[in-house]
Amino acid sequence: GAGVSQTPSNKVTEKGKYVELRCDPISGHTALYWYRQSLGQGPEFLIYFQGTGAADDSGLPNDRFFAVRPEGSVSTLKIQRTERGDSAVYLCASSGTGYTGELFFGEGSRLTVL
Amino acid sequence: KQEVTQIPAALSVPEGENLVLNCSFTDSAIYNLQWFRQDPGKGLTSLLLIQSSQREQTSGRLNASLDKSSGRSTLYIAASQPGDSATYLCAVGSSNTGKLIFGQGTTLQVKP
Repeated sequence: GAGVSQTPSNKVTEKGKYVELRCDPISGHTALYWYRQSLGQGPEFLIYFQGTGAADDSGLPNDRFFAVRPEGSVSTLKIQRTERGDSAVYLCASSGTGYTGELFFGEGSRLTVL
Repeated sequence: KQEVTQIPAALSVPEGENLVLNCSFTDSAIYNLQWFRQDPGKGLTSLLLIQSSQREQTSGRLNASLDKSSGRSTLYIAASQPGDSATYLCAVGSSNTGKLIFGQGTTLQVKP
C-alpha cells in the first residue's frame, strides 16, 4: 500500500474484554514497530519485528499484551483482559531493508477501555 | 536509561516569527535523532533525521542541530506560518533498529 494502514481507527471496549489491533505496513518493508501514545505524551516503544520474528519486545508492559506477524507483513497487536489504563493511541510504523533511520507511521488506533 | 525532554511544552507565536524548539537527552551514546510533526488525531510525519556523526540537517524552513556532548538538539523554524501549528516530537535512537525514545513534545500554535 501507499502508506501504513491501521484498523480500526477507533475501538471502544469494556474492561476485561479482548482486543485486536491490525497494522498493514508499507509493501516490502521488513521492519515493523508498535508504539503506544497516551494523551499528552510522546509515543512509547512496545515491540519491533524484523520479518516474522519479534526482534525486541522489551516495551510490552505485561503478559496481557502480545503481537504477531506470521507472514512478515501484516501484524496484529493483541490485548487480553483490557484495563482502563490500556486506553491510548496505538501507533504502528514500518521501515525498509537496510535501516536508514526513517520510520513511516500510520495514523494509529485509538483504544478506549470503559 | 535514556530520557528525552522537550521544553517548552507549549508555545504560541505570531505568524512570521522565527522560533526554536529544544530537546535534551541524558545519554550521549545515540545512533540518531529525529524530529517529527504530529497533527491532532494523526500519526507522525518525519521532518528531519540527524545521524550521530552529523551536526545539523536542513529542509526548507526547518533546520535541526545536534550536539551530542551536551545532549541537546534544537529545531529552528524560520518565518513561521499558521500551517506550522502542530505538535513537534523529538526522538532519540540508540541503535540501528528503529527503537526510539520520544520526548513529550512541544505543541506549537502560530497565530495569523
